[in-house]
Parts: sequence; structure tokens; C-alpha cells
Amino acid sequence: EVQLVESGGGLVQPGGSLRLSCEGSGFIFSDYGMNWVRQAPGKGLEWVSYISGSGSVIYYSDSVKGRFTTSRDNAKDSVYLQMNSLRGDDTAVYFCARGIMIRGVIGDSWGLGTLVTVST
Amino acid sequence: FVLTQPPSLTEAPGKTARITCAGDNIGTKSVHWYQQKAGQAPVLVQYSHTDRPSGIPDRFSESSSGNMAILTISSVEAGDEADYYCQVWDSSSDHPGVFGGGTKLTVL
Repeated sequence: EVQLVESGGGLVQPGGSLRLSCEGSGFIFSDYGMNWVRQAPGKGLEWVSYISGSGSVIYYSDSVKGRFTTSRDNAKDSVYLQMNSLRGDDTAVYFCARGIMIRGVIGDSWGLGTLVTVST
Repeated sequence: FVLTQPPSLTEAPGKTARITCAGDNIGTKSVHWYQQKAGQAPVLVQYSHTDRPSGIPDRFSESSSGNMAILTISSVEAGDEADYYCQVWDSSSDHPGVFGGGTKLTVL
């Protein structure tokens, strides 16, 4: 069974940093591109970032480019989202999702998400 | 690339719900659909025009042409009440992931 488990969320002050992790199991992790998607309270889904299976290709949304960094460690079946210079509008539940990138699918399996709150 | 969905749709049980997703020449792209129930993670319900993940009933189907894609849910049930999102991957962009704004389906 495919499982994705996010961790690392919490309360952080504006301008602060946070690192999210997502550990996968039940599949060959390195075979899949992974996406981060976020959802602000009461709002829709927003794609944040993509990293290919090898880690050689990475994309970001305009709203996080230059502030967030995506990486992965296939030996640990994990993908990470380093978030710097956090702002109030980064407050959201952050999901990791396993992609079927040959089809352009952002997520055929999703984690439960981790909540990031940016506030004083 | 922008995807536009109506914010809400209400349908009676047993009827057919059609959730639209508008985008420039979307009929030439692969469109994917997610269902998100309150407090839960999204679930992929339809992808690449004809494919459904295992466990998704064949009451769900997708069609697209021109500037519109449509997720059709036949014989709507109370358990179908959820937010639905369309999604494309714009390979021509360096920020390729795109979701529509979502449609809240209410079954009344």
C-alpha cells in the first residue's frame, strides 16, 4: 500500500524558516516525481513545487520561487521542502503527492498534510 | 495557464452532475480531476480523459473539447458531496502545475 507521511509543520513567525519532510513507503520511491501542494484555510489547492525521481529537475510556483527549496533523499525515501522568508500567506496545509508525470498527474497518492501557520 | 471552475453546484440524488473546467484550448491537454471531502486529502478520481484509479466507480467520467473540460458524475449520491478540482500540467511553463479553483458539489 502506498503511503506518504508529511511532518515538520508548526507555528513560525513571519520571516522565519521551516523544513517539511515527506516519507514514502509501499513503492519504489526513486521511480516517481513528487509534488508539494498547499491549501490555505478555506481555499483551494495550490501547486507549490515538483522534483523528479532523480532530483535533477525541480520546478517552483512563482509564489514561492526564491524562498522555498525542494530536495529529496532516495536512500531515505523522503522529499523535503525548505521554506525560508515565510509570510502570512504561506499559512496552509502542505501536502506531498506522488506524481504520474508521464501523464501530467500531480498526485495519484497524497499524504494527510502538515499544517504550517505563519503568525506572530 | 488558468483553469476556471464555478464555485458551486447543487444536484439532487440520482441526477447527473456536470462540473466544468474552462481553459484556453484545454481540449488539447490531459485534464485530471480530484475529489476532496471535508477535512481530507484530495483523491484522484479521473485522469487522462479515460482513466480511473482503482476503486473509483464508473459513475465518474470526463470529456473535453475546445476550451472546456467536464467531469460528469452520474446517479449522484450523498457520498459524492465534496470539492472537485481540475488540474493540468503545462509543460511549456517553468511553473507547470495548475489547479482550477475548485467546485463545491452539494447533493440535496
